[in-house]
Amino acid sequence: DGGITQSPKYLFRKEGQNVTLSCEQNLNHDAMYWYRQDPGQGLRLIYYSQIVNDFQKGDIAEGYSVSREKKESFPLTVTSAQKNPTAFYLCASSIARLAGARRNFGPGTRLTVL
Amino acid sequence: DQQVKQNSPSLSVQEGRISILNCDYTNSMFDYFLWYKKYPAEGPTFLISISSIKDKNEDGRFTVFLNKSAKHLSLHIVPSQPGDSAVYFCAASVTQGGSEKLVFGKGTKLTVNP
Repeated sequence: DGGITQSPKYLFRKEGQNVTLSCEQNLNHDAMYWYRQDPGQGLRLIYYSQIVNDFQKGDIAEGYSVSREKKESFPLTVTSAQKNPTAFYLCASSIARLAGARRNFGPGTRLTVL
Repeated sequence: DQQVKQNSPSLSVQEGRISILNCDYTNSMFDYFLWYKKYPAEGPTFLISISSIKDKNEDGRFTVFLNKSAKHLSLHIVPSQPGDSAVYFCAASVTQGGSEKLVFGKGTKLTVNP
């Protein structure tokens, strides 16, 4: 059963700590993405990757970092430099970054900074 | 600058009636439009899409209409069911400089009352 897994579902972090959110996909998709959702807001793109060992900043990349060492995995690190890290984080993938390519989304990780 | 707007934060309809969710956009270069459905604490799931060269696409109870001159699209759900209660996101795709970008609206929360 193909899909995207994100772990953990809920994550709590103390202010000033870095934290890494996991994202794994078994859909054999080339492109992967990280989005952030805040209450009453749409999804905003943090980072994306179209191929292994390559990734690009999205609209709100400041305070975040990613890696893409394997096709299946695209972890996101929320650093202490991110001013408002409390949010719902969504990982997604698509066959490629082409016009109209639908994104498959994971179940999300809710990060709360205490 | 919000390129994709869903001006109604919420919509309430009776079971069996039609639900109409609206979306306006400003960028005439968008070439695909997608609708996603999202339940609380879950990732969005793809619902239906339409190419900018079409004005209608239908899939079961879901129909999307595109009016390019008005830069407006709508999602019709007929008949509405309680399980349709969710947040619906409109998204628009544009290819710029060889790279595709997907822009999301803020979402409309649909409640279908039994």
